[in-house]
Amino acid sequence: DTGVSQDPRHKITKRGQNVTFRCDPISEHNRLYWYRQTLGQGPEFLTYFQNEAQLEKSRLLSDRFSAERPKGSFSTLEIQRTEQGDSAMYLCASSLGTRQFFGPGTRLTVL
Amino acid sequence: DQQVKQNSPSLSVQEGRISILNCDYTNSMFDYFLWYKKYPAEGPTFLISISSIKDKNEDGRFTVFLNKSAKHLSLHIVPSQPGDSAVYFCAATAGGGTSYGKLTFGQGTILTVHP
Repeated sequence: DTGVSQDPRHKITKRGQNVTFRCDPISEHNRLYWYRQTLGQGPEFLTYFQNEAQLEKSRLLSDRFSAERPKGSFSTLEIQRTEQGDSAMYLCASSLGTRQFFGPGTRLTVL
Repeated sequence: DQQVKQNSPSLSVQEGRISILNCDYTNSMFDYFLWYKKYPAEGPTFLISISSIKDKNEDGRFTVFLNKSAKHLSLHIVPSQPGDSAVYFCAATAGGGTSYGKLTFGQGTILTVHP
């Protein structure tokens, strides 16, 4: 399977804990995006990498959120001191052009 | 500030008939539009796109129409099939610079096609 993969698929954590998600993009894609989707809404942009450079961050991405793409391949999204409002589906996408290919997402539940 | 809006939360059609999903946008900088389909427990899957230099793009059963003056686009599915039942998202992007490729999504429309 050469699509976008995300790990884990589901994460349940207690409020105040730190969590980290991983995204493996399609290998030749140089752009990688993180989105968040809550119930009844469309995906909302969080941040975007071109190769290893983080080029844009949304205002949605508070100081508790950090994303990396150290070698321009896989990416991690870390949420520190999780809050119940962080419960959502976190989607990763990759692209070479305008068409973005999405992974299956990581569903985060903060208790 | 909802820059991309899908005002119909749901749509129900009979198999074989036409499905028309609508989308409105407010940002004049948007110059490329995409439709994605999403099944439960999966990520969005690309369906069809259109550049602002065109007013129509067709791919098999799927056609997207763009009315720039009205800031409105629509997705037509003809004929509709039960396997088309999913959530459909309209998305838009503004080309050029570091914002290239960041997608702004609508809220989605749940399409149900009845046999």
